[in-house]
Amino acid sequence: QVQLQESGPGLVKPSETLSLTCTVSGYFISSGYYWGWIRQPPGKGLEWIASIYQSGNTYYNPSLKSRVTISVDKSRNHFSLKLSSVTAADTAVYYCARVDALTGYPFDYWGQGKLVTVSS
Amino acid sequence: EIVMTQSPATLSVSPGERATLSCRASESVSSNLAWYQQKPGQPPRLLIYGASTRATGIPARFSGSGSGTEFTLTISSLQSEDSAVYYCQQYGETFGQGTKVEIK
Repeated sequence: QVQLQESGPGLVKPSETLSLTCTVSGYFISSGYYWGWIRQPPGKGLEWIASIYQSGNTYYNPSLKSRVTISVDKSRNHFSLKLSSVTAADTAVYYCARVDALTGYPFDYWGQGKLVTVSS
Repeated sequence: EIVMTQSPATLSVSPGERATLSCRASESVSSNLAWYQQKPGQPPRLLIYGASTRATGIPARFSGSGSGTEFTLTISSLQSEDSAVYYCQQYGETFGQGTKVEIK
């Protein structure tokens, strides 16, 4: 059973960098698939942030690309997100998920989500 | 950037009735379209991928159709537990803004 779990600070100050990690269990990241981050501001819809293949190939939402870095650590079986220069508009629940490239890139397994609040 | 537009924003349907949700892409996404269901306080759940294939464990009352730019999610006989927000997504990237399905 594939499981994903987000971790990281729940409170980040404006202008600082948000850092989250997604730990995967029940599947080895090195075996394949893409892995992605999605966020959801309170009471709003879903926004794709970025995805990464186990080889390290990355894909970013153009609207966030200048501030986002996604990376993978196969030895620890986790992948990470960094979002720089955050503002209150970056307050959201951040989800990590697995992406199945063989079937049109749906997100088939999701973490429970991590609420990150940007506030001084 | 491909824009995904869902309609209606809210759909109110009686139990046992059919619910039809629409999703339109600003340019062709072929069949690379997924549908998700999200209930309050939960992560989204994959319902449909490849525009028309049900994900594992999804009841047969959920069906997807379409290709190119026009897609439909149909719930053939609405159950109380189907009350949720439904999102479409193209190619693992852009999401639609969601359709809220309410039980009348």
